[in-house]
Amino acid sequence: SQQGEEDPQALSIQEGENATMNCSYKTSINNLQWYRQNSGRGLVHLILIRSNEREKHSGRLRVTLDTSKKSSSLLITASRAADTASYFCATDPIGSGNTGKLIFGQGTTLQVKP
Amino acid sequence: DAGVTQSPTHLIKTRGQQVTLRCSPKSGHDTVSWYQQALGQGPQFIFQYYEEEERQRGNFPDRFSGHQFPNYSSELNVNALLLGDSALYLCASSLVLAKNIQYFGAGTRLSVL
Repeated sequence: SQQGEEDPQALSIQEGENATMNCSYKTSINNLQWYRQNSGRGLVHLILIRSNEREKHSGRLRVTLDTSKKSSSLLITASRAADTASYFCATDPIGSGNTGKLIFGQGTTLQVKP
Repeated sequence: DAGVTQSPTHLIKTRGQQVTLRCSPKSGHDTVSWYQQALGQGPQFIFQYYEEEERQRGNFPDRFSGHQFPNYSSELNVNALLLGDSALYLCASSLVLAKNIQYFGAGTRLSVL
């Protein structure tokens, strides 16, 4: 079963614009991660935010986490055509004992038009 | 430094057959996890291997089994294939002390006809 639900399912923007995608989850977590997947290929790890963190930056990526609302957002600033991909959030639920048993959302498909 | 490699890239089988997928982890990694990703969905955790033993398992039937070898490489076996087993199968490797940071291979696309 999927832990996370992502919103929107699909997003289309122009190059240079910002892209924001959201993830909601159901149970308490140790941490939350965001991954990128190009055209049904393997996933690339983007960023991890721990449950005691509220915001984290990595290059053009900004992730926020609101544990009271059980939600996270991923912001990609100044988007490029190369950012076109599917983006997934993945949670590590409390009680899983840091097993690495990641639970993924259904993903947001981002299209950046040149 | 080779990343996670999976073979084969694509595979076509018929219902009832058996399939074996292979994965070599990133150099230095000792833990391998397998995921199934149906079209348009997020990956779903199948199981995880460490020290040649299955350590965690997701909600998958016993038709799905695996193995880890002393060199940390791993196999995923699926018996009595069903049409619904058609999916992208992803292997991810990690260090046992940092299991959350997983490096994924490009996957094996399995089509069951």
